[in-house]
Amino acid sequence: IAGITQAPTSQILAAGRRMTLRCTQDMRHNAMYWYRQDLGLGLRLIHYSNTAGTTGKGEVPDGYSVSRANTDDFPLTLASAVPSQTSVYFCASSSNLGGGNEQFFGPGTRLTVL
Amino acid sequence: GQNIDQPTEMTATEGAIVQINCTYQTSGFNGLFWYQQHAGEAPTFLSYNVLDGLEEKGRFSSFLSRSKGYSYLLLKELQMKDSASYLCASSDSNYQLIWGAGTKLIIKP
Repeated sequence: IAGITQAPTSQILAAGRRMTLRCTQDMRHNAMYWYRQDLGLGLRLIHYSNTAGTTGKGEVPDGYSVSRANTDDFPLTLASAVPSQTSVYFCASSSNLGGGNEQFFGPGTRLTVL
Repeated sequence: GQNIDQPTEMTATEGAIVQINCTYQTSGFNGLFWYQQHAGEAPTFLSYNVLDGLEEKGRFSSFLSRSKGYSYLLLKELQMKDSASYLCASSDSNYQLIWGAGTKLIIKP
């Protein structure tokens, strides 16, 4: 692994189903983030984690949950998917939260909820 | 409130110079980022400004005026591969990024 990976690449999901988007980084970064990107809108932060064992809510956390059991992995779970959660989801990481720390992005997961 | 504004789309000619503007209103401002995003790909970091002034990095330069809540990204000697969306993002008091919707830059031969 080099950098940050996400799985799956794309998914079509029936409304009401549970779904976990996976994110793994090998850069030993402390901070990780989940964003959604919708046409005509900027990236919106869903949840973030400053370090392993801690998580925080972003701008649009409702309907999503995260966990950070270790430094490398930061999965995002949709407990019961709804069509408004159709979006492209990006996971990102940075060495630490704050300052000019560059965020490195994964390739994204394109999720369609029908 | 917190807000980021940037033009939706711009067109420029190969070899020319283009300036993409961004205005922001951010509580507890902690710096301004520019990212590049090619269609269907992830954003990649271009620049970070926290002090007023111009930061030059090869063909790309970024400017910040904190008093005016204004930044621009300057791209020189445009190449076809520069066709992409350019995302402006400000860092707030919690070091979370507030993102603009992006400026789609179209380069014509």
